[in-house]
Amino acid sequence: NAGVTQTPKFQVLKTGQSMTLQCAQDMNHNSMYWYRQDPGMGLRLIYYSASEGTTDKGEVPNGYNVSRLNKREFSLRLESAAPSQTSVYFCASRGRVLSLSYNEQFFGPGTRLTVL
Amino acid sequence: AQKITQTQPGMFVQEKEAVTLDCTYDTSDPSYGLFWYKQPSSGEMIFLIYQGSYDQQNATEGRYSLNFQKARKSANLVISASQLGDSAMYFCAMREPGGKLIFGQGTTLQVKP
Repeated sequence: NAGVTQTPKFQVLKTGQSMTLQCAQDMNHNSMYWYRQDPGMGLRLIYYSASEGTTDKGEVPNGYNVSRLNKREFSLRLESAAPSQTSVYFCASRGRVLSLSYNEQFFGPGTRLTVL
Repeated sequence: AQKITQTQPGMFVQEKEAVTLDCTYDTSDPSYGLFWYKQPSSGEMIFLIYQGSYDQQNATEGRYSLNFQKARKSANLVISASQLGDSAMYFCAMREPGGKLIFGQGTTLQVKP
């Protein structure tokens, strides 16, 4: 299993450009999440999808849109990038490991985005 | 509103010694979960340990243990026998309804040889 994969790993944009961050998981998880991490900070939730076909805003949704394309894929779109969106973006999916009694979030490797 | 607080921006520990990283939380929900993650300089998020609010015993995973004091709303991570590879950023997180996580600011741990 690849777990949670994200593309691209690095991206540089100019102010006003748009782009889509891709995320996929192969663990058959229902819930998926997008977080951002600014330098020296913890992760903050942008959007999440509790199940295929549903999406909800998190703590910092402004400037972003998401699409839950199917159960495996959850994409994050920046329509008009701003320097304030320079950050590391993490995708995660949530599911239960068979031997455990709780659901764990599995994180992708992150996308480092710089907006000039 | 739910909140996670980590008050130690940076910590040092001598190799082979134990270290405690502090985490306090605030929630009015009787059912919650607390997680600790490690983020090395390479950037990935590595799950370390979980404590459920109804768990009777403190969680342990190898060299990691969680000192859970429910009345004080604290969930401190204890790393025993520190190793150089433990140098990293450590995050405490709390699960909200829907499985969302809210994170603390993190603590940078440096292990000295």
